[in-house]
Amino acid sequence: SQTIHQWPATLVQPVGSPLSLECTVEGTSNPNLYWYRQAAGRGLQLLFYSVGIGQISSEVPQNLSASRPQDRQFILSSKKLLLSDSGFYLCAWSGSSFYGYTFGSGTRLTVV
Amino acid sequence: QQPVQSPQAVILREGEDAVINCSSSKALYSVHWYRQKHGEAPVFLMILLKGGEQKGHEKISASFNEKKQQSSLYLTASQLSYSGTYFCGTSPNNAGNMLTFGGGTRLMVKP
Repeated sequence: SQTIHQWPATLVQPVGSPLSLECTVEGTSNPNLYWYRQAAGRGLQLLFYSVGIGQISSEVPQNLSASRPQDRQFILSSKKLLLSDSGFYLCAWSGSSFYGYTFGSGTRLTVV
Repeated sequence: QQPVQSPQAVILREGEDAVINCSSSKALYSVHWYRQKHGEAPVFLMILLKGGEQKGHEKISASFNEKKQQSSLYLTASQLSYSGTYFCGTSPNNAGNMLTFGGGTRLMVKP
């Protein structure tokens, strides 16, 4: 069966520090991968999506970047965090447009 | 532009029914529904594709009116476990399956 792993679960980082969140999927190949951010009490905002290795599309211009170095690995990064980067970051995968998303357990990021 | 969900919040007693609506200003290819418990990740409930189909999942079902660009989620004989925030996610095409989510509907089921 397919599983998705996301870590860390919680992170407190100072303003200006770098960020690296990792997401891996097991049990499937060539998944569509997504990074979403959710502010407290709000909906989910699509940040990046990827349909294959090295193929990244950005939905929101900001100081975040994403990379897909391997088929089932998706990384979210920042060189310098801002206070506004705080939120609940969710990685998700789907097989195709006929399937729903499976979300990772999320990373709660607080920038102080 | 994100789809609009209504109502924003609803409180039910166990056994009561509820309807959550999701409207888009764009033509839709698919509508997804998810439920999120507090502090957890959203969980997929169902997907409806272009074609106006209706789907069911236990006592939770949904419809998709392609012409009106609307979807509704029906919760019948609600249970305590139905409490959470419900999100619809919409996609205008089948390229990449990228979803734009609505603002969510908070559902609380009381004993």
